[in-house]
Amino acid sequence: GAVVSQHPSWVICKSGTSVKIECRSLDFQATTMFWYRQFPKQSLMLMATSNEGSKATYEQGVEKDKFLINHASLTLSTLTVTSAHPEDSSFYICSAEGPPDEQFFGPGTRLTVL
Amino acid sequence: AQSVAQPEDQVNVAEGNPLTVKCTYSVSGNPYLFWYVQYPNRGLQFLLKYITGDNLVKGSYGFEAEFNKSQTSFHLKKPSALVSDSALYFCAGGYQKVTFGIGTKLQVIP
Repeated sequence: GAVVSQHPSWVICKSGTSVKIECRSLDFQATTMFWYRQFPKQSLMLMATSNEGSKATYEQGVEKDKFLINHASLTLSTLTVTSAHPEDSSFYICSAEGPPDEQFFGPGTRLTVL
Repeated sequence: AQSVAQPEDQVNVAEGNPLTVKCTYSVSGNPYLFWYVQYPNRGLQFLLKYITGDNLVKGSYGFEAEFNKSQTSFHLKKPSALVSDSALYFCAGGYQKVTFGIGTKLQVIP
């Protein structure tokens, strides 16, 4: 089946630094990828939709300058959390749209900002 | 606006008994409905989906779900629960922009 990977699986950083998270579709090409955020004991909240070769579409309330998304190829999307703060600590999950009509999810990245 | 509701925060069931995890939806147009499972500190794993066709959908690990249009429900079921089924289950709906329910923690008691 279709596989989506994320790197790193967990990261700890100091407040004020930037962190990049990669999302790759390993065995299929994904024109569209999605980034979600999950707080403890809560559901996944869609942050943005990433389309290859174009600007990402952000959900209401998500700061586009803070959460930079780049989808430079059909197999890679990156999420950069800029100037991270402790409140950005969360579980970030990406998904890639593959056929037919299904999203394939990555394993997630646990971000802890000290 | 689309929404998915999971009315139970937690479901407890004895091993070997049938289990049901409830989900209701409000999705415009033809509903695309999904069930995912999440183990601790892991990503989501796809269980099953309904797009069209038979109302009873069979998925991974012996799970199935029944689409009921009149009740706008898509409950997840399994005839005989295993301890290893204990996890967090998410119902989701929508096409492309998928909306997730808040999740139901399933606890299977040995």
